[in-house]
Amino acid sequence: EAGVTQFPSHSVIEKGQTVTLRCDPISGHDNLYWYRRVMGKEIKFLLHFVKESKQDESGMPNNRFLAERTGGTYSTLKVQPAELEDSGVYFCASSQVTGRIGSPLHFGNGTRLTVT
Amino acid sequence: QKEVEQDPGPLSVPEGAIVSLNCTYSNSAFQYFMWYRQYSRKGPELLMYTYSSGNKEDGRFTAQVDKSSKYISLFIRDSQPSDSATYLCAMKRGSQGNLIFGKGTKLSVKP
Repeated sequence: EAGVTQFPSHSVIEKGQTVTLRCDPISGHDNLYWYRRVMGKEIKFLLHFVKESKQDESGMPNNRFLAERTGGTYSTLKVQPAELEDSGVYFCASSQVTGRIGSPLHFGNGTRLTVT
Repeated sequence: QKEVEQDPGPLSVPEGAIVSLNCTYSNSAFQYFMWYRQYSRKGPELLMYTYSSGNKEDGRFTAQVDKSSKYISLFIRDSQPSDSATYLCAMKRGSQGNLIFGKGTKLSVKP
């Protein structure tokens, strides 16, 4: 079974530019999450899709961030325009929608974003 | 007060030692507790997943959850150099909810 894949693995852009990150979840996983780790801080939640619907976007920092999951398969996270404080590692994770116990999240290797 | 506290280390032990990693939390609503291992430049890899209180064992790894004390632990027996990584605790309220992470503890196992 292929894991969660993220592209690109590393992106360096200038302040004010636009960057789009992509995540392909594990096949059959309806839950898709975006997380971010800023240097020196904890990994923090950004948002959660169930299929193509945004279930929870309470962690999105501001309206410069736009996430989509058209068709309920892969997802993109666009940052426009990028600011210096957006630098960090962006992780995508996916899980199955199961019963009460839930299922664990499986993470991709992340996209390391550097804004200069 | 942060929801999840984890000592970032670093923690250095000799090969074969028993390692104890811990997290405390403040929100009694957390019901699902996880430990992830993260190697450099990789994503977090799930090690242990537990629901509510109690112990869970998987090979050399044992996870403990004490909800009354709001304290979780991960024990690694017979530690190996390949266990050198950052260990992250994480927890969530509901079965489909988002994870709250600790900062991670960097572990180094010396041969």
